[in-house]
Amino acid sequence: EVQLLESGGGLIQPGGSLRLSCVASGFTFKNYFMTWVRQAPGKGLEWVSGISGGGGSTYYADSVKARFTISRDNSKNILYLQMNNLRVDDTAMYSCAKDGPYGNAFDVWGQGTMVTVSS
Amino acid sequence: DIVMTQSPDSLAVSLGERATINCKSSQSVLYSSNNKNYLAWYQQKPGQPPKLLIYWASTRESGVPDRFSGSGSGTDFTLIISSLQPEDFATYFCQQTYTTPEFTFGPGTKVDLK
Repeated sequence: EVQLLESGGGLIQPGGSLRLSCVASGFTFKNYFMTWVRQAPGKGLEWVSGISGGGGSTYYADSVKARFTISRDNSKNILYLQMNNLRVDDTAMYSCAKDGPYGNAFDVWGQGTMVTVSS
Repeated sequence: DIVMTQSPDSLAVSLGERATINCKSSQSVLYSSNNKNYLAWYQQKPGQPPKLLIYWASTRESGVPDRFSGSGSGTDFTLIISSLQPEDFATYFCQQTYTTPEFTFGPGTKVDLK
């Protein structure tokens, strides 16, 4: 079964750091572009960051550029999101998603891990 | 950046009735080299991640019931649920998958029971 499982979220003060992990199983991880998407409570979906299969190309939304770093370990089938200098408006459920084989749509999503930034 | 809009924000539908959701992109998502529209639709229920319903504007993902259909081209798209079932009450998002890799989402349309 194809599965993504996130962890690493929690309550953190503004200015703090967290590292999110997404463990993939059931597919050849290294072959797929992976993405982090977030959803603030009661709000819509926001694309956050993406990384190519080999890890050589990374992309960020303007809202997180220079604060967040996406990476992956293809030997362990894990996707990461290092989040630094967190702000209150980073509070959201963070989900990892797998690029599908057609049309770049996200065909598999994790359940998400909640990040709450508050003093 | 491509901006996605959806209408209506919400709609109330009776069981067995048809629901129509519209999505508009600020620029065309039609890829001329393969004549495909890079537009996806997702369904999200409370406490769950989104589920892919349709990609390339009109192709149903495997396992998605045929009461879900997508149409449109260029900048204007529609998701139709032909006969609403109890499990279809959810929020629906469109997403442009044209501008790699920043694939922006619409704000969502909530479908409620009338």
